[in-house]
Amino acid sequence: NAGVTQTPKFQVLKTGQSMTLQCAQDMNHEYMSWYRQDPGMGLRLIHYSVGAGITDQGEVPNGYNVSRSTTEDFPLRLLSAAPSQTSVYFCASSYSWLAGSPNTGELFFGEGSRLTVL
Amino acid sequence: AQSVTQLGSHVSVSEGALVLLRCNYSSSVPPYLFWYVQYPNQGLQLLLKYTTGATLVKGINGFEAEFKKSETSFHLTKPSAHMSDAAEYFCAVSPSRPMEYGNKLVFGAGTILRVKS
Repeated sequence: NAGVTQTPKFQVLKTGQSMTLQCAQDMNHEYMSWYRQDPGMGLRLIHYSVGAGITDQGEVPNGYNVSRSTTEDFPLRLLSAAPSQTSVYFCASSYSWLAGSPNTGELFFGEGSRLTVL
Repeated sequence: AQSVTQLGSHVSVSEGALVLLRCNYSSSVPPYLFWYVQYPNQGLQLLLKYTTGATLVKGINGFEAEFKKSETSFHLTKPSAHMSDAAEYFCAVSPSRPMEYGNKLVFGAGTILRVKS
């Protein structure tokens, strides 16, 4: 069982370049999200999706785009990379978040993608 | 809105000693609370969670946490530290009514636990 798969694991970009971080899950999870992790700041939510065709912004969405055309995939696009986007990016998925559901907030994480913007 | 404060970015204990990692939260609605653990170069994995019911919750690897509403705290403990517990620990909060208040899990800044032999 692969779980949540992120590619690439490492990437170096030059300022102004664009790229897409891929995320795929094979657990039939409806909820998917992207976080960035920076030292001393924990994980900050970039974008999330509660199902195919539905996305919403998190805490730090500027400079990033997402789409959710299938249940399995949730790519994160950097439109014009900046040094401030140097970070470790995590994709995470979950079953539906419903009031009273024991699954609410229980995320399954990928292994991360380390991005450096020069 | 939800927020989490973890007291102490680094905690060091001796092997066999008590582990105590502190977490305080703020939430406008009854919260769901979580502790996640991250080992080096890996993603996060769930350690334990509180949703409703018993306020003392037990997780994997001998960890437990107690939800104290009056203190808005959810501290993580383990009676006896093991070398394999060395990792970074994250406290997180989400609203118990996600459709009204957002399907978002908010993380604290993390606490790095060091275990000395």
